[in-house]
Amino acid sequence: QVQLQESGPGLVKPSETLSLTCTVSGGSVSSFYGTWIRQAPGKGLEFIGYNYNNVRTSYNPALQGRITVSLDTSKNQFSLKLTSVTAADTAVYYCARALDSNAFDIWGQGTLVTVSS
Amino acid sequence: EIVLTQSPGTLSLSPGERATLSCRASQTVRSNYVAWYQQRPGQAPRLLIYGASSRATGSPERFSGSGSGADFTLTISRLEPEDFAVYYCLQYGNVPVTFGQGTRLEI
Repeated sequence: QVQLQESGPGLVKPSETLSLTCTVSGGSVSSFYGTWIRQAPGKGLEFIGYNYNNVRTSYNPALQGRITVSLDTSKNQFSLKLTSVTAADTAVYYCARALDSNAFDIWGQGTLVTVSS
Repeated sequence: EIVLTQSPGTLSLSPGERATLSCRASQTVRSNYVAWYQQRPGQAPRLLIYGASSRATGSPERFSGSGSGADFTLTISRLEPEDFAVYYCLQYGNVPVTFGQGTRLEI
């Protein structure tokens, strides 16, 4: 049974870089689309981006230029970097799994990141 | 990118009633790759339906999905108390994937 767990700082200062890691257990990070999704307080779900085995990526155009989703196969993890953050980036960040041509079927519990000085 | 519009924004029903939630896309979704999620307060979303009409593992039989092209529906045949939550549709047939804004199902 694949499980995902987010980790990273809960507080980031404006203009700095948000960095989160998703640790995969029970499966290989190389076998699925490692995806990041966020949810601002009281708002809906927003796709951030995914990386499939370092051969295919897709990012939200609204965040393009600020996002990198990368894989570390040696640690069985994937990560998110979001640069130049503002208060609008305050959200619960989820990592999720998608198999090829499939929906996001497994999610982490989510981690709240607050952008504030 | 494809914009998904869910309606209604809020649906007020009682346990035992039937719920019908709509998700309309701004253009045809490739291969009807639409999914539905349930989100309860403080929890991660849970996959209910994928491929427009296939029930996910563990999804109760009272949940069903239908539709094709750009018009999709989630139906809950008889509402249980635990079904009152927020529901999101997702299209994953076109890049970038996009979510609808959600429908709140309240008692």
